[in-house]
Amino acid sequence: EDKVVQSPLSLVVHEGDTVTLNCSYEVTNFRSLLWYKQEKKAPTFLFMLTSSGIEKKSGRLSSILDKKELFSILNITATQTGDSAVYLCAVKMASQGNLIFGKGTKLSVKP
Amino acid sequence: DTAVSQTPKYLVTQMGNDKSIKCEQNLGHDTMYWYKQDSKKFLKIMFSYNNKELIINETVPNRFSPKSPDKAHLNLHINSLELGDSAVYFCASSQDVTSVLQETQYFGPGTRLLVL
Repeated sequence: EDKVVQSPLSLVVHEGDTVTLNCSYEVTNFRSLLWYKQEKKAPTFLFMLTSSGIEKKSGRLSSILDKKELFSILNITATQTGDSAVYLCAVKMASQGNLIFGKGTKLSVKP
Repeated sequence: DTAVSQTPKYLVTQMGNDKSIKCEQNLGHDTMYWYKQDSKKFLKIMFSYNNKELIINETVPNRFSPKSPDKAHLNLHINSLELGDSAVYFCASSQDVTSVLQETQYFGPGTRLLVL
């Protein structure tokens, strides 16, 4: 069965800390991996990764994919309280258009 | 301008009722989706339409029926609502399933359904 597993499920840190969120997957016909941030409403897109070893970066957030070991990480440096959210990892397969989501990592950043 | 919009945002109803949720996207995307997010925040695909044609129909009770009048709209009708249908329903859209560079899915704000 195709699946996406995220760890940890929840994480509490203090402002200024650096965090690493993990996402591993087992799917047939992998096509791309996406990271989303979900606060109170809709998931908002962060990154899409298709190639191994190429880091994508946006401000304090960065992500990289390892297609050999079947995982991705999302790094957030110098965390701020506004980073508090659920971070969702999703994988798209070549055979179909929908995303398979992990259960998310709930990040809480304390002042 | 809102890219993917859903109505209503909140829906409280009694068991056994029939209700509809509407979704519209103004991004010119070809593919639209319905996802269900349960109380544990787990998002799961329900349906996917590409240019008004159903392409994915996951194991969803047939009380749920999607309807796509045109490629900018994908509505979800639910018959005989049950307590377990309570969840947040998200609509999403993407450009083209065959072009990996355009496959980012954009989500609507969600419809929180509570069945009493």
